[in-house]
Amino acid sequence: EDKVVQSPLSLVVHEGDTVTLNCSYEVTNFRSLLWYKQEKKAPTFLFMLTSSGIEKKSGRLSSILDKKELFSILNITATQTGDSAIYLCAAVYGGATNKLIFGTGTLLAVQP
Amino acid sequence: GAVVSQHPSRVICKSGTSVKIECRSLDFQATTMFWYRQFPKKSLMLMATSNEGSKATYEQGVEKDKFLINHASLTLSTLTVTSAHPEDSSFYICSARDARGADETQYFGPGTRLLVL
Repeated sequence: EDKVVQSPLSLVVHEGDTVTLNCSYEVTNFRSLLWYKQEKKAPTFLFMLTSSGIEKKSGRLSSILDKKELFSILNITATQTGDSAIYLCAAVYGGATNKLIFGTGTLLAVQP
Repeated sequence: GAVVSQHPSRVICKSGTSVKIECRSLDFQATTMFWYRQFPKKSLMLMATSNEGSKATYEQGVEKDKFLINHASLTLSTLTVTSAHPEDSSFYICSARDARGADETQYFGPGTRLLVL
């Protein structure tokens, strides 16, 4: 059965801390992995990872994919209260339709 | 770019009525749109894949006669919850893929919160 697992399920840190969120997957016909940030409404896109070992960066956020070990990490450095959200990873799989299977999400709370 | 809108953002309806939710890609064309459902503190569950000009593909366990999907144009897909019941109350989110190129990213709408009384 295809699945995407995220850890930890929740995390509380203080401003300025660095966090690492984990995402492992077992998906048939894996194509790529996506990271999203969800606050009060729908998820907003962060990264798409297709190749192993190539880090993608956007400000204080970075992410990398390991297709051999079937996992990805999302790093956030110098966390701010505005980083508080649910972080979702999703695996793109299948043929032409490119469906997504989502992980359970990691709830990050950044305290002042 | 890559903006997806949904309407309405929230709706309250009586049990037994039908509710239509619209999903529009505003600045790109989407041959494929996806409908998800999210329960409180849970992740997104794919309900169906909406294909422009053809029938939608439903995930296992999703009743196609209850959740009617129409994708009449490259920028609009609609989800109609027919004969709604309180257990249909949920957060419904659509996403769309850009029809051009090989971008596999799905862009999400802001979601519709449905409450069935």
